[in-house]
Amino acid sequence: GQSLEQPSEVTAVEGAIVQINCTYQTSGFYGLSWYQQHDGGAPTFLSYNALDGLEETGRFSSFLSRSDSYGYLLLQELQMKDSASYFCAVRDQSSASKIIFGSGTRLSIRP
Amino acid sequence: EPEVTQTPSHQVTQMGQEVILRCVPISNHLYFYWYRQILGQKVEFLVSFYNNEISEKSEIFDDQFSVERPDGSNFTLKIRSTKLEDSAMYFCASTGQTNYGYTFGSGTRLTVV
Repeated sequence: GQSLEQPSEVTAVEGAIVQINCTYQTSGFYGLSWYQQHDGGAPTFLSYNALDGLEETGRFSSFLSRSDSYGYLLLQELQMKDSASYFCAVRDQSSASKIIFGSGTRLSIRP
Repeated sequence: EPEVTQTPSHQVTQMGQEVILRCVPISNHLYFYWYRQILGQKVEFLVSFYNNEISEKSEIFDDQFSVERPDGSNFTLKIRSTKLEDSAMYFCASTGQTNYGYTFGSGTRLTVV
């Protein structure tokens, strides 16, 4: 089976940088994804890492270390609209046809 | 930008009734999914569908649930004999061949009373 751990809540200041960590346990591993979800909205795909290293997409970056079973999402130049829940999700080799979500990190941005 | 469309956006039903949730995935996508999210909790996998058959289903997806792709565009989730604990937001999602990023629909909020 799979399990993922991420902090339940993070608070940051507008304009700052925040890192949301995710550790996972899987029987095999294909890749780690990140999704953003605003209250009442649908999850929106942000990034996917299959290999070690950093992937950058605008203000958002995602990092993966397969040896440590660890990844993070880095958000820079925070804006109020970034207030949302962020989920890491894993695909593994035992079940490549689905992704399993973590419990989510609620990010609150203060002015 | 292509979208996954779900209808209805809200559905209220009496316990024991059957409901059908409808989804139109992105037209060139090949993999289809149903997930659900109980208020304040994480997104839970229900079922994946590929090549007109179920690829995988979770423990939640018991005999009460079924999926269908009746006409090559719609993808439906049927819940027979609904229970109070079925109240949740149900999301449909689809992916293309890369199978990396899912596109989710805006969801159907199901309330069982």
